[in-house]
Order: sequence, then C-alpha cells, then structure tokens
Amino acid sequence: DAGVIQSPRHEVTEMGQEVTLRCKPISGHDYLFWYRQTMMRGLELLIYFNNNVPIDDSGMPEDRFSAKMPNASFSTLKIQPSEPRDSAVYFCASSYGTGGNNSPLHFGNGTRLTVT
Amino acid sequence: AQSVTQLGSHVSVSEGALVLLRCNYSSSVPPYLFWYVQYPNQGLQLLLKYTTGATLVKGINGFEAEFKKSETSFHLTKPSAHMSDAAEYFCAVGRQGGKLIFGQGTELSVKP
Repeated sequence: DAGVIQSPRHEVTEMGQEVTLRCKPISGHDYLFWYRQTMMRGLELLIYFNNNVPIDDSGMPEDRFSAKMPNASFSTLKIQPSEPRDSAVYFCASSYGTGGNNSPLHFGNGTRLTVT
Repeated sequence: AQSVTQLGSHVSVSEGALVLLRCNYSSSVPPYLFWYVQYPNQGLQLLLKYTTGATLVKGINGFEAEFKKSETSFHLTKPSAHMSDAAEYFCAVGRQGGKLIFGQGTELSVKP
C-alpha cells in the first residue's frame, strides 16, 4: 500500500489566491482527517469525515476554509481567499475508526503552504 | 472531556543516554493512550499504544511506555538514545468512538 498521498508537497501562493490541497487516503479506511501544524498552535484537527460524510468541522478556522470528500478515495481542503496566517503544514490522515481507539491514524507527508 | 499535557517542548540528550519524555493525561473514561513520532518533513507515525491489559507497552525502535493510572501518566522511555531518534514526539489520548487528542509535542535532540 502506498500510504496516504497528499499533493502538492509544497505550495507557495500570494495572498487572496485560492488554494486547493488534495489527499488520497489508504484504500478501505473509513475515516479521513485534515490537520494543520504550526509552531504557535501545534497540531490542530480541522475536520474529519466518516464514509465520506463530514462529522466534525468545529476546527475549521473560518468560512474561508472548506473541505470535501466526493468519494472514498479523494478529499480536498480549499482555502479561498488565502491569507499569510494560513501558512502552515497541512496533513491528511486516514484510519479504520476514529483514531481514538485501537486503530492508528496513518498520516501523509503533508503539504507545506506558504502564503505571501 | 479529555486532554493531554507534554512536559517540556524540547529535550536534549547525549547519544547512549536514557530518553524520558513525559506525558500526563486527563480523561473521564478509561483512556486509550498513544505515542506518535514525526521525523523531519514527514507525517506522524505510530510509535506505540496502550488500550487495555499490560500497562507496560513496547513500541518500535526500542521505545516503551508505562500506563500509570494513579499518576495519570504515560511517559515514553528508551534506555539508550541513538542519533536517529532525533524527532518530534506526540502523546495522544483517545477513547472508544472518540477522536484523538494530541499534546503539543516534544522535540528530542540527540547530541553525539
């Protein structure tokens, strides 16, 4: 298995532009998570899906952020418009179950977003 | 509600020395406890986990952790540090059907 695949690995964009981050979870996993990691805030859970349905988006910072999971093998996180404070590493993770139980989260290698 | 606190954002040890990374948790239900490791430019990966049963759990790369309910702790140890252990380590707490709550992370440096 190739693991969780995220693209792009690096994204540099100007303030005000739309940014789309992509994730392919591990086949068969029923949960998908989006995290953001910064020096100041550490690792933050933004949103997670179960069987393609958003379950908890309370971590999404603003309406500028949106996430979709149109099918079991693909998810996107979109920021529109982007701002410099959105600069961070964004991780996608998948698992069998919520991750809080026996099944571990499998993380992708992340997308490093820089907004200038 | 559940929470986790990692004591010390940075820990530095010499190669061959004992590694001790501290983690305390708060949980109103029996917790599941995890340690994840993040190497530079990579995502997190599971190091070890405690769910039920034996309170001393062993993970990959010679790491182990002990669940101490009376102290609400789940400290991570390794008898002898190796240069390749340099990474960031995250303690996390969860419960059946619940989402994982991560600590702030501890960066481990290993000096030659």
